[in-house]
Amino acid sequence: DVKVTQSSRYLVKRTGEKVFLECVQDMDHENMFWYRQDPGLGLRLIYFSYDVKMKEKGDIPEGYSVSREKKERFSLILESASTNQTSMYLCASSSPLSGRFHEQFFGPGTRLTVL
Amino acid sequence: GESVGLHLPTLSVQEGDNSIINCAYSNSASDYFIWYKQESGKGPQFIIDIRSNMDKRQGQRVTVLLNKTVKHLSLQIAATQPGDSAVYFCAENIWYSSASKIIFGSGTRLSIRP
Repeated sequence: DVKVTQSSRYLVKRTGEKVFLECVQDMDHENMFWYRQDPGLGLRLIYFSYDVKMKEKGDIPEGYSVSREKKERFSLILESASTNQTSMYLCASSSPLSGRFHEQFFGPGTRLTVL
Repeated sequence: GESVGLHLPTLSVQEGDNSIINCAYSNSASDYFIWYKQESGKGPQFIIDIRSNMDKRQGQRVTVLLNKTVKHLSLQIAATQPGDSAVYFCAENIWYSSASKIIFGSGTRLSIRP
């Protein structure tokens, strides 16, 4: 069974802290994505990566960075957490080699609260 | 700019009835339109897609209709069951440069009345 896992389901951090959100997929997918989900706004793309050490900005990259050192792992970093980054963070992966770039597999999400 | 998913935020349906969830989109360059389902406490899950050169596609108990003239997408669920309770997102796949990304709508929460 295919799986995308995220390091934490719930996380509470303080303003100014550096926060790492980890995502691992076991499907050997090339593409990985980070979204945030807020009520009434749907899912918004923060960053994505189509290969190891490659990254592309999504629609709302400000305040975030990413790292992809291994194919199966994609990390989202909040350099200095702020209260407006309180949100649900979702990781996803997909494989362009399957021809189905738009079929993304999601992790369960990390609900981050910044106090 | 790009936008998708100008649909009702909630929908309540009697168990056993058919559900119709609607969505509007603005980008005519999308090659695929997709529906995702998100159950409580889980990430979104792919349900069905439709290529932009089609107007109808059927799956198991679900049908997606695409009307490109009015830029409208709908998801029909036959004989709605309690397990269909979820938030449904319409989405479109857009290509730029050599990569593609998905634009998600804001979602419709489907609740089932017993």
